Amino acid sequence: DTGVSQDPRHKITKRGQNVTFRCDPISEHNRLYWYRQTLGQGPEFLTYFQNEAQLEKSRLLSDRFSAERPKGSFSTLEIQRTEQGDSAMYLCASSKGQGLKGTQYFGPGTRLLVL
Amino acid sequence: GDSVTQMEGPVTLSEEACLTINCTYTATGYPSLFWYVQYPGEGLQLLLKATKADDKGSNKGFEATYRKETTSFHLEKGSVQVSDSAVYFCALDNNDMRFGAGTRLTVKP
Repeated sequence: DTGVSQDPRHKITKRGQNVTFRCDPISEHNRLYWYRQTLGQGPEFLTYFQNEAQLEKSRLLSDRFSAERPKGSFSTLEIQRTEQGDSAMYLCASSKGQGLKGTQYFGPGTRLLVL
Repeated sequence: GDSVTQMEGPVTLSEEACLTINCTYTATGYPSLFWYVQYPGEGLQLLLKATKADDKGSNKGFEATYRKETTSFHLEKGSVQVSDSAVYFCALDNNDMRFGAGTRLTVKP
């Protein structure tokens, strides 16, 4: 059973640069979620896809952030013009099930450091 | 809005000690409740869950009971091991996943 995978695992970038992260969910899961986790805190919801449709976005997701899931499989999260405050762990999760209560399974995360 | 409050850490225990990590929640309706664990350098792993009142979730010797009357979902283990050292997150799903801040557990031999 292949779990959720994320790439890269670590990213160091300079302020103002663009970065893109990839998430590959568990293959039969139709729901995909992005979270941000800062040191000493729990994950905070960013956005959610059902198949290729982006159904919900948090207020945390500023206009510098964009997420896509073009074919309903893998997803990308892009941050444009990165700021030091964007430094965090970015987590992806996937789920299946009826309604909105399928159990979410998390990937290992991408740790971003903006210098 | 919905929220989760869990016991602040860090918690340090000796091997074979009893563990309780408190978790309380605020939510409308009937959320599902979860405990996730994050080992050093790894992503979150589902530890256990409960989807309705009085359900008990259990896994790897850990247990938690969904108590609607006290809006709680405390995590317990009768005898912890060094390998249980990790950060534990309580979470609820009520159309929107909310996590607590996490409790770091260190178990010493």
